[in-house]
Amino acid sequence: QVQLQESGPGLVKPSEPLSLTCSVSGDSITSFYWTWIRQPPGKGLEWVANIYYRGTTNYNPSLKSRVTISVDTSTNECSLEVSSVTAADTAVYYCARAHSWNGYMDVWGKGTTVTVSS
Amino acid sequence: QSVLTQPPSVSAAPGQKVTISCSGSGSNIGNNYVSWYQQLPGTAPRLLIYDNNKRPSGIPDRFSGSKSGTSATLGITGLQTGDEADYYCGTWDSSLTVVVFGGGTRLTVL
Repeated sequence: QVQLQESGPGLVKPSEPLSLTCSVSGDSITSFYWTWIRQPPGKGLEWVANIYYRGTTNYNPSLKSRVTISVDTSTNECSLEVSSVTAADTAVYYCARAHSWNGYMDVWGKGTTVTVSS
Repeated sequence: QSVLTQPPSVSAAPGQKVTISCSGSGSNIGNNYVSWYQQLPGTAPRLLIYDNNKRPSGIPDRFSGSKSGTSATLGITGLQTGDEADYYCGTWDSSLTVVVFGGGTRLTVL
């Protein structure tokens, strides 16, 4: 059974970088696409980025200048970095498995909460 | 303002049927597959429907999906109190080059 576990710092100061990790178990990171989606408090879902292990990446154009997604095949993990965060980056960040670069997400992690505050 | 438009809320009695609409355009729903997600309170989203009308294993056939033109619909029959959740539609937008979601619909089972 595939399981995804997100981890992150919880609290980040404005203008600082944010680093998140998604640990994948029960499946190889070399299969499928791996996606980050976020959900601000009380709001809907926002797709952030996805990646295929060979390096193919897709980014939300509204975030592309500040976001970097990567995979580590040796640890079976996917990571997301967001530079220079603001309060607008406060959200629950979910990691999910996608079946194609533009397709549906069939397995989701439980999410990790990130709060941007001084 | 979401690219895909969903009603903010719907409600129905236990045992009844409800439909949730998702309206888009030719650059998203009109030319791409639609998926639907259920988000129970305090939990992560779960895939309900993919490729417009397919159900993943483990999803009961009370849930169904359809698409026509630039709109999609999620149907839920035999409503149960456990179905109370937020429901989101999603698809690729070829113009924006991003996966887009609807704003979400809160289902209340009265």
